[in-house]
Amino acid sequence: DTEVTQTPKHLVMGMTNKKSLKCEQHMGHRAMYWYKQKAKKPPELMFVYSYEKLSINESVPSRFSPECPNSSLLNLHLHALQPEDSALYLCASSQGGGARQPQHFGDGTRLSIL
Amino acid sequence: AQSVAQPEDQVNVAEGNPLTVKCTYSVSGNPYLFWYVQYPNRGLQFLLKYITGDNLVKGSYGFEAEFNKSQTSFHLKKPSALVSDSALYFCAVRAFYSSASKIIFGSGTRLSIRP
Repeated sequence: DTEVTQTPKHLVMGMTNKKSLKCEQHMGHRAMYWYKQKAKKPPELMFVYSYEKLSINESVPSRFSPECPNSSLLNLHLHALQPEDSALYLCASSQGGGARQPQHFGDGTRLSIL
Repeated sequence: AQSVAQPEDQVNVAEGNPLTVKCTYSVSGNPYLFWYVQYPNRGLQFLLKYITGDNLVKGSYGFEAEFNKSQTSFHLKKPSALVSDSALYFCAVRAFYSSASKIIFGSGTRLSIRP
């Protein structure tokens, strides 16, 4: 079992829909991350929150909007997505934003855009 | 610029034989290196890391990795492979960006262990 919980596990949505992905961790970690992963490829970093503040945005299109309501929760709001946005979306957390700490990943949300 | 290379897309090993998954890196300053494993329909799981100290690092599930500074390598090894080790393996390096750091992943190596 992973200590980072992501919901939903699967999501199918049309290009005009609005939906949200949720991520929760109770390890007391203060850095949280969103990644996008295509099949058989490495994860691509989208956003980093450090102490609940957005610290890295990897030039992600505005149709993806992250939110960190508190230190345990991370959301990714989706609106007007494109078919190429279909992928596995992974959330991760680490103890602080420093380089020495490994990241702990959830099992992801598999997103399909019709 | 920081980078990580995994030269083999796939590694095939017979069960019981030793396995090696290769990784080379390029960083400025001291490298912080990691190995992760991904099973089908799962997220990535942390296996081991090198920060400083002993060049041979031991991790989960009997895996170990050898840090070689002169060859800028961090190869993943296991003395005796199991069929259950079959998965996708990622080498990674942490890079600093102002107040936060991010991981740079290699392209991944698919490990296949035949019975």
